[in-house]
Amino acid sequence: NAGVTQTPKFRVLKTGQSMTLLCAQDMNHEYMYWYRQDPGMGLRLIHYSVGEGTTAKGEVPDGYNVSRLKKQNFLLGLESAAPSQTSVYFCASSSRPYEQYFGPGTRLTVT
Amino acid sequence: EDKVVQSPLSLVVHEGDTVTLNCSYEVTNFRSLLWYKQEKKAPTFLFMLTSSGIEKKSGRLSSILDKKELFSILNITATQTGDSAVYLCAVYRFKAAGNKLTFGGGTRVLVKP
Repeated sequence: NAGVTQTPKFRVLKTGQSMTLLCAQDMNHEYMYWYRQDPGMGLRLIHYSVGEGTTAKGEVPDGYNVSRLKKQNFLLGLESAAPSQTSVYFCASSSRPYEQYFGPGTRLTVT
Repeated sequence: EDKVVQSPLSLVVHEGDTVTLNCSYEVTNFRSLLWYKQEKKAPTFLFMLTSSGIEKKSGRLSSILDKKELFSILNITATQTGDSAVYLCAVYRFKAAGNKLTFGGGTRVLVKP
């Protein structure tokens, strides 16, 4: 039982490049979330999903897209990376609101 | 706009000291307040508080909620170096779409030997 896994762990991009972050969970959770964490700002919700095939915007969705084609996977895409997107990205999943299980994070640097 | 504010931003203590962390909130349709501990990587769940005045305890950690004054505190007694972490509080709103949580900025705690 791996819980929530994220790929890759680290990535460096140049401004304008694109990439996709993959989140996978094996707990059969309906809800999945993408957050970004910047120093002193806690976790801010980018996008979330309430089930397979659904997505919705969070607090800071601009510059990101998501897809949930399979229940166990939630993809976060950056079409044209900007330095402001340098951050640590966390994926989480839950069946109940207080039990959000977090992945180990992806550290992204955009130069 | 929902707000969750934690204080202090950071603190340094020595082993054996007691630490008190604060979390205040302004949200509509408040349902529950949650505390998470974040060491080097993923946050892990500590407590969920829904009712005022009822203390939740887990070992040396305890937490209480005041729904009238809109805040919660997290206490850590007899601190150990393993308590060094960022402590996050988050608020869950009643009938929040997608079970979303709103997080505060966190308090970084460093416990020195």
